[in-house]
Amino acid sequence: AQRVTQPEKLLSVFKGAPVELKCNYSYSGSPELFWYVQYSRQRLQLLLRHISRESIKGFTADLNKGETSFHLKKPFAQEEDSAMYYCALSNAGGTSYGKLTFGQGTILTVHP
Amino acid sequence: EAQVTQNPRYLITVTGKKLTVTCSQNMNHEYMSWYRQDPGLGLRQIYYSMNVEVTDKGDVPEGYKVSRKEKRNFPLILESPSPNQTSLYFCASSPVSGANVLTFGAGSRLTVL
Repeated sequence: AQRVTQPEKLLSVFKGAPVELKCNYSYSGSPELFWYVQYSRQRLQLLLRHISRESIKGFTADLNKGETSFHLKKPFAQEEDSAMYYCALSNAGGTSYGKLTFGQGTILTVHP
Repeated sequence: EAQVTQNPRYLITVTGKKLTVTCSQNMNHEYMSWYRQDPGLGLRQIYYSMNVEVTDKGDVPEGYKVSRKEKRNFPLILESPSPNQTSLYFCASSPVSGANVLTFGAGSRLTVL
């Protein structure tokens, strides 16, 4: 079974400080990892995916297969980064392609 | 505007009264999926559909039914709702080439008394 764990329900930082949202996963095959974000009064939307290897809004995430982690990082947090963040895993190439498992979510608050 | 539309957005109903939450997308996406969001549990997948007439169970399918007769529509059916199905429900879609690059609906808040 595939599982995603986000150990922090709440994370608070000050503007300009580095931020790291943790995500650990459990999956025996070759996973595809994503970060989704939900800003206040907006719809849930894709932030980034590991196969793209791009930086979105200053955020990056590296898939570490050895540690089974996909932590989301930003060197200098901004107030507009305050949101709910979900890590998600897809069993890409598995027998049930299309099954997408989300973590419990982390609420990030960036204080001025 | 390209989007996923859910209806109703808010609903209060009683135990056992059948209801349907509709979901429609105008992007010609092949993949569609339903999730429920509960505090402390995050988003959990209920059902998904890779294409017309192809549906499969997610992690929490009990008490729900779906159908995919047309590409654009993917309704969620609660035949006999119970209070533990009180939740915030999201529909999402994705082009098959980027399956899991999801476009989400605005959500439907359901309360079962």
